[in-house]
Amino acid sequence: SQQGEEDPQALSIQEGENATMNCSYKTSINNLQWYRQNSGRGLVHLILIRSNEREKHSGRLRVTLDTSKKSSSLLITASRAADTASYFCATGHTGTASKLTFGTGTRLQVTL
Amino acid sequence: DTGVSQDPRHKITKRGQNVTFRCDPISEHNRLYWYRQTLGQGPEFLTYFQNEAQLEKSRLLSDRFSAERPKGSFSTLEIQRTEQGDSAMYLCSSSRRGGTTNEKLFFGSGTQLSVL
Repeated sequence: SQQGEEDPQALSIQEGENATMNCSYKTSINNLQWYRQNSGRGLVHLILIRSNEREKHSGRLRVTLDTSKKSSSLLITASRAADTASYFCATGHTGTASKLTFGTGTRLQVTL
Repeated sequence: DTGVSQDPRHKITKRGQNVTFRCDPISEHNRLYWYRQTLGQGPEFLTYFQNEAQLEKSRLLSDRFSAERPKGSFSTLEIQRTEQGDSAMYLCSSSRRGGTTNEKLFFGSGTQLSVL
């Protein structure tokens, strides 16, 4: 079953604009990760934020985590056409020691 | 290429046939995972190995599914008596067990299964 719900399901923006995707989850987490998937390909890890962290940056990516609201957001600044992909949040849970539970994904389209 | 590799990339089979997929993880990774992804959905966990031991299986993994990881290296996922509902992308990923749990996953490109 999917742990997270992502919002919006689809997002279309123009190159240079910022894209914000949100993820909500249901149960306590150890960490939350964001992955990117190009059509028909495997997933690529983008960034990991631990439950005791509130914000993390990596290049043009900014991730926030609010454990009280069980939510996270991914901001991509100055988007490029090459950012067109699906983006998934995935949660890791204390005690499971292994699997990640993925959300339903946001499909981002960046147009020229 | 030192990434996770999966074979085949595509598989078309008739209902009732058996299929087997192979995954070669990154060589120094001792954890290997299988996920299934249907169109428009996120990946769903199927099973997990640490070295050669299969430590966790999802309820999604019916008795028609079996996974192995002999010698803790490559892994195979077999589906017996395939059904149309088995049509999906089967993703393999690997990770290295570090000081904390849930290290980031490295994914292969997946095997797209179509059951006719």
